[in-house]
Amino acid sequence: GAVVSQHPSWVICKSGTSVKIECRSLDFQATTMFWYRQFPKQSLMLMATSNEGSKATYEQGVEKDKFLINHASLTLSTLTVTSAHPEDSSFYICSARVFGTINNQPQHFGDGTRLSIL
Amino acid sequence: TQLLEQSPQFLSIQEGENLTVYCNSSSVFSSLQWYRQEPGEGPVLLVTVVTGGEVKKLKRLTFQFGDARKDSSLHITAAQPGDTGLYLCAGANAGGTSYGKLTFGQGTILTVHP
Repeated sequence: GAVVSQHPSWVICKSGTSVKIECRSLDFQATTMFWYRQFPKQSLMLMATSNEGSKATYEQGVEKDKFLINHASLTLSTLTVTSAHPEDSSFYICSARVFGTINNQPQHFGDGTRLSIL
Repeated sequence: TQLLEQSPQFLSIQEGENLTVYCNSSSVFSSLQWYRQEPGEGPVLLVTVVTGGEVKKLKRLTFQFGDARKDSSLHITAAQPGDTGLYLCAGANAGGTSYGKLTFGQGTILTVHP
């Protein structure tokens, strides 16, 4: 159980394109989803916390207008990288958890999306 | 801002050796999770420790949570090439606006040579 699916797994596009990444919880409802960015051989950096039905909470230094997050249902959150540029190239990972005590409800991670902007 | 210092960042050892990875913080966490990640994939949860002083074992892996819930360690006995990967510790925040967020350590890249 607790499977998180992320799509697409790999995307290559031209500079200036907007790219949408989907994060779905397949067998549970996720009131909260998290979006991370990861550079090669480094740890995960939290970008934003996405709560179903409300605005996302962004971490300091993350541009809200650049990284649009929508969490319209209990099983789907999307991250749109608007007008992507080469410096946005990275590995983006989402995670999801069910509301409740964090001790019992760990975050379940998707397999990530490799974004390459040419 | 909570910080979690993870060390060492890189570890290259021979098959059969033992190793320990440490995560330290000045902050108290409600729980601490350890993940393992392979290239091109998302992190996979290994264990969650909750109680100060708690010790959990997963085959050759032993996880310990400090008494004050500020630090944790991962010990691997008789490492195997299949243990190669990125190991991440992450502290969970239980209260206030940080509820549910994880603070990640910098990660430890482990390479076990046959």
